[in-house]
Amino acid sequence: SQQGEEDPQALSIQEGENATMNCSYKTSINNLQWYRQNSGRGLVHLILIRSNEREKHSGRLRVTLDTSKKSSSLLITASRAADTASYFCATAPEAGTALIFGKGTTLSVSS
Amino acid sequence: DGGITQSPKYLFRKEGQNVTLSCEQNLNHDAMYWYRQDPGQGLRLIYYSQIVNDFQKGDIAEGYSVSREKKESFPLTVTSAQKNPTAFYLCASSIQGAMNTEAFFGQGTRLTVV
Repeated sequence: SQQGEEDPQALSIQEGENATMNCSYKTSINNLQWYRQNSGRGLVHLILIRSNEREKHSGRLRVTLDTSKKSSSLLITASRAADTASYFCATAPEAGTALIFGKGTTLSVSS
Repeated sequence: DGGITQSPKYLFRKEGQNVTLSCEQNLNHDAMYWYRQDPGQGLRLIYYSQIVNDFQKGDIAEGYSVSREKKESFPLTVTSAQKNPTAFYLCASSIQGAMNTEAFFGQGTRLTVV
């Protein structure tokens, strides 16, 4: 079962613009995490936000979490061509022991 | 360097063959996971293990088998019972199974049936 669903599926922007990706999930969670995947490579962890947190920053990344709406957003500010990748949200269910991933958003940043 | 290593990077399987994908980590993590990735499907959980000599089925375990004889190793066997094995396979590990911390991923193995 895939709990997280990202929106949009694909996003194309110019360098310097901001990119926003959204994630919705279904059940109660312990935390929500965002990962990045370059084409044909493994996933790299970006940021983790716990269920009692509402917002978190890391460099050019800003993540918000709304547990009442079961949704999260990832904002990448001042995008660069090197940000081109797929981005996945993953939830750690309260009663679960493994991350559940969504289908991802493919971001393309052109220079 | 600490990390998680998957091998081989590319693997070709003939119809009816079993193949084993290797996953090794030197991060001293208790928990390890196998995911399958298909285009447009995201990552789906095959098996996970929270401790040596114990493992649990994920959402798509049919046609796969695993073992966890050592903390560092979690090999995945794709059996002939798996009817559509062509996919990208990702192994991951984390400090503990409750996923309170980040997961570390290998670089993946791309399996193709020929």
